[in-house]
Amino acid sequence: QKEVEQDPGPLSVPEGAIVSLNCTYSNSAFQYFMWYRQYSRKGPELLMYTYSSGNKEDGRFTAQVDKSSKYISLFIRDSQPSDSATYLCAMSEGYGQNFVFGPGTRLSVLP
Amino acid sequence: DTAVSQTPKYLVTQMGNDKSIKCEQNLGHDTMYWYKQDSKKFLKIMFSYNNKELIINETVPNRFSPKSPDKAHLNLHINSLELGDSAVYFCASSETNEKLFFGSGTQLSVL
Repeated sequence: QKEVEQDPGPLSVPEGAIVSLNCTYSNSAFQYFMWYRQYSRKGPELLMYTYSSGNKEDGRFTAQVDKSSKYISLFIRDSQPSDSATYLCAMSEGYGQNFVFGPGTRLSVLP
Repeated sequence: DTAVSQTPKYLVTQMGNDKSIKCEQNLGHDTMYWYKQDSKKFLKIMFSYNNKELIINETVPNRFSPKSPDKAHLNLHINSLELGDSAVYFCASSETNEKLFFGSGTQLSVL
C-alpha cells in the first residue's frame, strides 16, 4: 500500500460545480497537511495548509482533515476554468521529516 | 522577486554526460529540497538540506550529488546521465517543515 493515495482522475466538471478532491494515507504520525495546485509546465504552488484535524476555509477553497479516518479533502466551490490543473495533496510528520505527496488528481473545469 | 529560482529551465543532453542544476531561495528558509517528478506527475523527494547539512537522502543513485554552499543555495550535480534520469526536477524550500515552496522546475531530457 502506498503511503498516500489519491485518485489520479482526470476529473471533468462544468463551470460553477463544487469539486471534491480526496487523499487517504496510512501513516498516523502525519500532522501537517497541504494541498498544492500545479499548472502544466509549472511548479506546484501551495493552496491550503492545515495542522492536525479540522477544517480551513480560504475563499472558494475548503480543506478538511479527518485524522481518525486518515482522510483529507479539498473542496472547490463555484469552480472556474482557471482552476483546471493537477491538485496534489502532501503531508509531513513535522520538523526534519519528509513531505510525502500523493500522485495528484488532474481536474478540468469546462466553460 | 522570485522566491525559489532554479536554472536552467530546460536541459537537453546526451547519455553519459555530466550536468548541474542550480537553485537559490530568497525566503530566508533553513531547509531546501530536491524533488523528482516523473512522467506520471508523481513527486518524490531526493534530498533535503538544513542549514547546509544533509538531513534526508532517499534511495538515489550515487550519480546524483547535492551541494549546498550556503543555506540559500542547493545545487544538484548528475554524473553519467542515463535515459531514466529524464524527468522534471524541482527545488523547494521550507521553514520548520510546515510549508513547501517550489521553484518552476528543470525539464531534463536525456537522449
